Amino acid sequence: QKEVEQNSGPLSVPEGAIASLNCTYSDRVSQSFFWYRQYSGKSPELIMSIYSNGDKEDGRFTAQLNKASQYVSLLIRDSQPSDSATYLCASDQTGANNLFFGTGTRLTVIP
Amino acid sequence: GAVVSQHPSWVICKSGTSVKIECRSLDFQATTMFWYRQFPKQSLMLMATSNEGSKATYEQGVEKDKFLINHASLTLSTLTVTSAHPEDSSFYICSSQGNSNQPQHFGDGTRLSIL
Repeated sequence: QKEVEQNSGPLSVPEGAIASLNCTYSDRVSQSFFWYRQYSGKSPELIMSIYSNGDKEDGRFTAQLNKASQYVSLLIRDSQPSDSATYLCASDQTGANNLFFGTGTRLTVIP
Repeated sequence: GAVVSQHPSWVICKSGTSVKIECRSLDFQATTMFWYRQFPKQSLMLMATSNEGSKATYEQGVEKDKFLINHASLTLSTLTVTSAHPEDSSFYICSSQGNSNQPQHFGDGTRLSIL
């Protein structure tokens, strides 16, 4: 059973729209959740971290966590072509320091 | 943001060669460093976790004698792929973490191609 699951996409949205990326996780012990952006051929770049239920906003990005449903999402408002990348969801078991990554969702923002 | 430097960025070498990859944490002390491998169109797979001054902990299926990890200081970890073969061709990425409450920050990755 996969630890973290994401739809692989591709997800296409027009420029200026809201892109919604979803992730589910199987391990209830997981306490920390992260969204990374990875451009083709590059390393992942941390966008958001979220540790408690609810929403966390940072600029155009909003992360949402629902531990009861074991669900975490990332909303990107006013999507830009430069947001086109693969978005990786990751969870981190408390005390284990191991990040479990989903397979990523490829997002394309159409100008 | 935190800066993690990884070197070299791209290596092409013959089968049987050993390749060393360096990962440096430039602006914070990395208690823990992680090494990942990513094959095309797949997600990152953790290979091993290393703490400064300790032996690395390898994930299941990763050969510790083939992938030698040294974490001699709080700012430097190295991964040596010994006697590399074409199936070892992949994108190798390191990450650093200051403490368990902080997120991991990734290096730029090393693309390894074995001919």
